[in-house]
Parts: sequence; C-alpha cells; structure tokens
Amino acid sequence: GAVVSQHPSRVICKSGTSVKIECRSLDFQATTMFWYRQFPKQSLMLMATSNEGSKATYEQGVEKDKFLINHASLTLSTLTVTSAHPEDSSFYICSARSAGGLDTQYFGPGTRLTVL
Amino acid sequence: TQLLEQSPQFLSIQEGENLTVYCNSSSVFSSLQWYRQEPGEGPVLLVTVVTGGEVKKLKRLTFQFGDARKDSSLHITAAQPGDTGLYLCAGGAGYALNFGKGTSLLVTP
Repeated sequence: GAVVSQHPSRVICKSGTSVKIECRSLDFQATTMFWYRQFPKQSLMLMATSNEGSKATYEQGVEKDKFLINHASLTLSTLTVTSAHPEDSSFYICSARSAGGLDTQYFGPGTRLTVL
Repeated sequence: TQLLEQSPQFLSIQEGENLTVYCNSSSVFSSLQWYRQEPGEGPVLLVTVVTGGEVKKLKRLTFQFGDARKDSSLHITAAQPGDTGLYLCAGGAGYALNFGKGTSLLVTP
C-alpha cells in the first residue's frame, strides 16, 4: 500500500515552455500533497504544500506564479513549471500524506526536468 | 523551522562493517521518519517512530527514537553494498516534515 506515482519520470523541454508534472496517490486518499525540489547530492527542499480543493501554500522564496500547483482531487496534484528556464532544471519529487494518518509522507519516484 | 542535524554527512565503509547515523534536534517531534533514497529515485520510507525510547528493527537496521523525542539513530549491522544510498531523517512538525541534510552512505565490496 501507500504507492505514489509521478508522471513523467523525465522531461526535456526548450526554454520558455511550460511543463506539467502529475502526482497521484494510487491506493489511498491524500488530503495533503507536497512538492519538493532536490539538487544533486543534497536533501529535499520543500517548495509548497497543497491541500485538496484549496490554494497551495508556498515556502519562502518559491514563486507561486512560476510553479503553479493544483490539487483537484484527493488522489491528484499537479505542478506546472511555467516559462521554464535552464535554472529550473532539477529533480522534482512529490509526496502524499494520507487522511487521518501520522506525519508520514509517501514519495513519488521523482521527475527529472531538463530545460535547454 | 525545526532543524534536524544529521551526522555524518558522508560515510564510506567496507562490506561487513557496522555503522550508526545520527539525527539530532533541539525541538520535540511528534514522529520521526527515516527514508532511503537511491540516485534518480524518490525516497523510500524505512520506518516511522512515534514513542520516546522506541526501538524498531528492520532486518539489519535498528532505529531508535530518543526518550525526549528530539533525536534518533539508525544502526546498520554488517553493511552490504545494497545498503548504499542517501539516508534521510525527517521530523513530523504538525503539517509538514522537516528533513535533515542526509547521510550519503557508500558500502564497497
């Protein structure tokens, strides 16, 4: 149980385009989903917290107009990187926390974004 | 933000050796998780501890939560190359998790 999927696993795009990443909880309902960014050989950096049906809460320094988050259902959250630039290239990971559960988060496999 | 200090940051050992990774904070956490992450993949949950003084074992891995719920340790007995990876501790702080910087473990044959 507690499986989280991400799609796509890898994406290469041209500078200026937008990229959408999907995060799905496959066997449980996730009232809260989290989006992280990870640089090589570093820990996870929380970007934003999204709750189903409400606006996402962004961490300090994260541009909400650049990283659009939608949590339309209890099993799906999307992150859209708008007008991507090479500096947005990174490993993006989502996680999901089940309703009524502990603080435990279950992570997706990550999405490697490369902006040319 | 409740900070979690992980040590050591890097560890390179030979197969068969034992090791301990520490996760310390000045803050109390409602729970603490340990994850293992391999390159290019998402973190995989190893264990969640919630009770002060709790000890959990997962095959050759032993996890301990401090009595005051401010610190935790991960001990690996007879490490194997398959244990290689980034080990992350994360403390539950209500809504989100606070992550340590991770311990990068390399086990060579």
